[in-house]
Amino acid sequence: AAGVIQSPRHLIKEKRETATLKCYPIPRHDTVYWYQQGPGQDPQFLISFYEKMQSDKGSIPDRFSAQQFSDYHSELNMSSLELGDSALYFCASSLRLVSGTSMGNEQFFGPGTRLTVL
Amino acid sequence: AQKITQTQPGMFVQEKEAVTLDCTYDTSDPSYGLFWYKQPSSGEMIFLIYQGSYDQQNATEGRYSLNFQKARKSANLVISASQLGDSAMYFCAMREGRGGGYQKVTFGTGTKLQVIP
Repeated sequence: AAGVIQSPRHLIKEKRETATLKCYPIPRHDTVYWYQQGPGQDPQFLISFYEKMQSDKGSIPDRFSAQQFSDYHSELNMSSLELGDSALYFCASSLRLVSGTSMGNEQFFGPGTRLTVL
Repeated sequence: AQKITQTQPGMFVQEKEAVTLDCTYDTSDPSYGLFWYKQPSSGEMIFLIYQGSYDQQNATEGRYSLNFQKARKSANLVISASQLGDSAMYFCAMREGRGGGYQKVTFGTGTKLQVIP
């Protein structure tokens, strides 16, 4: 079965550079989430999109922006990179959550993009 | 206050034995969901099991079962007949949501499980 695709899998950047991470959700999934997991840390929610609109925002720095496109893929843009941005960035997708049903309960995670900032 | 608390940073279990990983949560939202994810050393995040706040029965998925005690706000993961491949980091997570696209998920700090032959 098709899974969430993230590219690139690994990325090395220098301080103050920019980076763009891409996420392709599972077909028919309309909701995308971005998480940041620092070394030895739990994943931290950054931002989510539903039907191409931002639906929720977490601890995403102002230097980061994201969007969801008409084909539901999403891109996380990161500018003025700092050493502390080095982390594993996960994208997850799901169907729209519908209260009172089990629809949309499960988020399927991609393999992650490991970003190293030197 | 921590929304998700996993008090066991690390645990050992003998192969073929059962193990319980603890998770307590804190929310005032009547509608929420609880998840367990497995993260092997390779880094990917693997969904294991889900329990909705309105579900009457405890969730089960193969060797995984969730001991959901709503009044105590606990959602412990039970792995039966542990296998060497179960060695990994296990995260408990909670979704607080109103439906639609709102679905923020908060993770606990994880429990590192080592299965001993």
